[in-house]
Amino acid sequence: EVQLVESGGGLVKPGGSLRLSCAASGFTFSSYSMNWVRQAPGKGLEWVSSISSSSSYIYYADSVKGRFTISRDNAKNSLYLQMNSLRAEDTAVYYCARVFGSPRGNWFDPWGQGTLVTVSS
Amino acid sequence: DIQMTQSPSSLSASVGDRVTITCRASQSISSYLNWYQQKPGKAPKLLIYAASSLQSGVPSRFSGSGSGTDFTLTISSLQPEDFATYYCQQSYSTPVTFGQGTRLEIK
Repeated sequence: EVQLVESGGGLVKPGGSLRLSCAASGFTFSSYSMNWVRQAPGKGLEWVSSISSSSSYIYYADSVKGRFTISRDNAKNSLYLQMNSLRAEDTAVYYCARVFGSPRGNWFDPWGQGTLVTVSS
Repeated sequence: DIQMTQSPSSLSASVGDRVTITCRASQSISSYLNWYQQKPGKAPKLLIYAASSLQSGVPSRFSGSGSGTDFTLTISSLQPEDFATYYCQQSYSTPVTFGQGTRLEIK
């Protein structure tokens, strides 16, 4: 069974840091690009960052550029998101998602269950 | 960035109804459009990819259509488990962007 499990969320003060992890199983992790997507409480979905299978291509949303760093360890089947200089507006459930790419586009499937990050003093 | 606008933002319907949700892109995105379903407290689930392809395991009452800037998600006969929030998403260009969501509620 293809599975993604996030961890590392929690309560952090503004200006603080947090590292999220996403453990993948049931598929060849090193063959897929991966993404982080977040959802603020009661709000819609916002793409955060993506990383290609070999880490050659990395992209960030403008809202997190310069503060967040995406990385992966293919030997450990794991995806990471290092979040620094956290702000109240970063409060959200953070999902990792596998990217299924083809000439017809890219789509996210599956998604992990999410981990909640709360930035508050 | 490409803006995705869904309509309506919320919708009340009854079991057995036929429902259509619309998604409009701010520029042409060919068929690079996906649909997701999200239930409260759960992760989004892929329903439709590339505008009209049904993801494996998704019931055939779900269908998608459109290309260019205008897309639709149709549920042919609503079932109780279909009451959820639906999101469209474009993968034509980075950043990937989502619609604001359509909340489908029981009438």
